[in-house]
Amino acid sequence: TQLLEQSPQFLSIQEGENLTVYCNSSSVFSSLQWYRQEPGEGPVLLVTVVTGGEVKKLKRLTFQFGDARKDSSLHITAAQPGDTGLYLCAGRMDSSYKLIFGSGTRLLVRP
Amino acid sequence: NAGVTQTPKFRVLKTGQSMTLLCAQDMNHEYMYWYRQDPGMGLRLIHYSVGEGTTAKGEVPDGYNVSRLKKQNFLLGLESAAPSQTSVYFCASSYWPGNQPQHFGDGTRLSIL
Repeated sequence: TQLLEQSPQFLSIQEGENLTVYCNSSSVFSSLQWYRQEPGEGPVLLVTVVTGGEVKKLKRLTFQFGDARKDSSLHITAAQPGDTGLYLCAGRMDSSYKLIFGSGTRLLVRP
Repeated sequence: NAGVTQTPKFRVLKTGQSMTLLCAQDMNHEYMYWYRQDPGMGLRLIHYSVGEGTTAKGEVPDGYNVSRLKKQNFLLGLESAAPSQTSVYFCASSYWPGNQPQHFGDGTRLSIL
């Protein structure tokens, strides 16, 4: 069983649409990161959230950390084909060297 | 501006063969990690290192060994490859395990026949 569940697993939308990707757990994390991965490449960090309820914006991307630090969401406004990729959330528990990754959401934005 | 470099990029092995995957980073990072990525399962930690000369087991260490003889290099070894080890392997490094980003290489695609 995955400690971090991401939904949906796949998402295919038209350019200009909005979407939200979810990352959920029954465990509390001290911080949570979102990465984007493109085919043939390694994941690249988009954002880190550390405080319950925190909201961060990166251009058209809005990230939120749940109040209880057990979940997070990524909202994309007016999606573009360049947003296509695999989105991974990754959480770190207190006193741990390790990141725990979710299974990912594969996004396709059609022109 | 190399960052994290993995070699080789692709490899096909027969069951029972051995090989070593090399990861090199030029960012003077203390922490290094080896992950495997399989469809629908995200990234799973195999082994990691918190500094030169140290290694530790991650989530799925069986069948793999690692070494960190130099700070910039982290080697992943398969002593006797099995088809279940067919995967894409990623190396990553970071300054600190806290909220710092992990910097990833571009992966090694390994097939075991």
